[in-house]
Amino acid sequence: DVKVTQSSRYLVKRTGEKVFLECVQDMDHENMFWYRQDPGLGLRLIYFSYDVKMKEKGDIPEGYSVSREKKERFSLILESASTNQTSMYLCASSSGSVGGYEQYFGPGTRLTVT
Amino acid sequence: AQSVTQLDSQVPVFEEAPVELRCNYSSSVSVYLFWYVQYPNQGLQLLLKYLSGSTLVESINGFEAEFNKSQTSFHLRKPSVHISDTAEYFCAETRNGATNKLIFGTGTLLAVQP
Repeated sequence: DVKVTQSSRYLVKRTGEKVFLECVQDMDHENMFWYRQDPGLGLRLIYFSYDVKMKEKGDIPEGYSVSREKKERFSLILESASTNQTSMYLCASSSGSVGGYEQYFGPGTRLTVT
Repeated sequence: AQSVTQLDSQVPVFEEAPVELRCNYSSSVSVYLFWYVQYPNQGLQLLLKYLSGSTLVESINGFEAEFNKSQTSFHLRKPSVHISDTAEYFCAETRNGATNKLIFGTGTLLAVQP
C-alpha cells in the first residue's frame, strides 16, 4: 500500500516563527502536493512538485515556500507564520504526468498559529 | 477557469435511507472526475473515479456515481447508507492531458443518523 506520512499531526507555533512541515511518500511517485483545508473552502493547492527540485505554484502560494531535495520528501515552509495560516495541511503524492492518476493523501497536520 | 461545485455543504440522512451528493463540473473539454472521502481526523481516500468508458462507476462499499456530460454532473449515490458512511465527501476534476492537478469542490458532510 502507498503510504504518505506527515511529520506531525498537531502543531502549535507562535506568530513570526519559521515552520517546517514534512511529507514523505514511499511509492517512488513523481508528483507531490501541498494543500490547505479550511471549512467551507475545501482543499486549495499551495504548491506542487513534479520532480526533484522542480516546483510550481498552486492557487494560494503567498506566505509559503517548498523544498524537494529528494524524490520521496516534500517540505512546506512558512517563512514567518501568521494567524491566518492556522489550518489543516494535507500532503499528497501521485505517479504519472497527466490527469487520471490517483492522489494519495497523508493524515494531515493541524497547525495553530497563536 | 475550471471549477467544481458541490451545492450541499451538509446532507443529514437516516440510516438505511438512500442518499445523493451532488457535484457539477465546469470544464468543456474531456475531464477525469473523482470522489474522495475523508473520515474524521483522517486524510482523504479515493472512493471512485471516472476516466473513460462506462459512465457509471462503482466503489467497493456500495457507492456509485454517474458521469453525465450533457448536465456536466457527477453525482454520488448510495441506495442505503450506514452510520459508518458519516464523513466529508469531496468531488474533484482534472483535465485530460493536463498536469496531475486536481480541482476540488468545497465538500459535502454526510451525517448519517440512527
